[in-house]
Amino acid sequence: QQQVKQSPQSLIVQKGGISIINCAYENTAFDYFPWYQQFPGKGPALLIAIRPDVSEKKEGRFTISFNKSAKQFSLHIMDSQPGDSATYFCAATYGGGGADGLTFGKGTHLIIQP
Amino acid sequence: DAGITQSPRYKITETGRQVTLMCHQTWSHSYMFWYRQDLGHGLRLIYYSAAADITDKGEVPDGYVVSRSKTENFPLTLESATRSQTSVYFCASSEQRGTEAFFGQGTRLTVV
Repeated sequence: QQQVKQSPQSLIVQKGGISIINCAYENTAFDYFPWYQQFPGKGPALLIAIRPDVSEKKEGRFTISFNKSAKQFSLHIMDSQPGDSATYFCAATYGGGGADGLTFGKGTHLIIQP
Repeated sequence: DAGITQSPRYKITETGRQVTLMCHQTWSHSYMFWYRQDLGHGLRLIYYSAAADITDKGEVPDGYVVSRSKTENFPLTLESATRSQTSVYFCASSEQRGTEAFFGQGTRLTVV
């Protein structure tokens, strides 16, 4: 059972455009929602994260929008650049009891065309 | 260098052989994790550890064994490697439960 569903699988955006990646989760106990960026041959690296007490978090060109009632969150990359081309993973976890570790979406392969 | 390091970076082994992947972190983080990454599946949790001598199964633990005698090390052993275990393996650590996890560079394992 996949607890975090991510879409789209792949995305092509023109330089300067807005890239949008969406995720939906099932477990209402999740309370930490990070986005990871991964370049080929490298490990995932934290990009930005949000907790459910806020609806939006912005860091530079990257913004997370969070909709608790819909159990959805999304990553927006403004003014997308070729250097943003990578695979992006959403994830979720919680600090309470139960299974530890991050539950990941299946990833989005983003290509920014010059 | 501070951080989390995995070794080897690449490994080819034969079906049925035992192989151990190493993971070392210098932050003294309590939590450590092993994930495997496969096309179409994203990253799936194999095992995790909340502290030295405390380990537990994740989503896909079959065929794997872990140990954690020291806080900084978390080796993953494939007792009898199978072709289905061909994957990229990532070790990660975090200071607290439910917070940011830091990943190593990964080990690409091929079982022939």
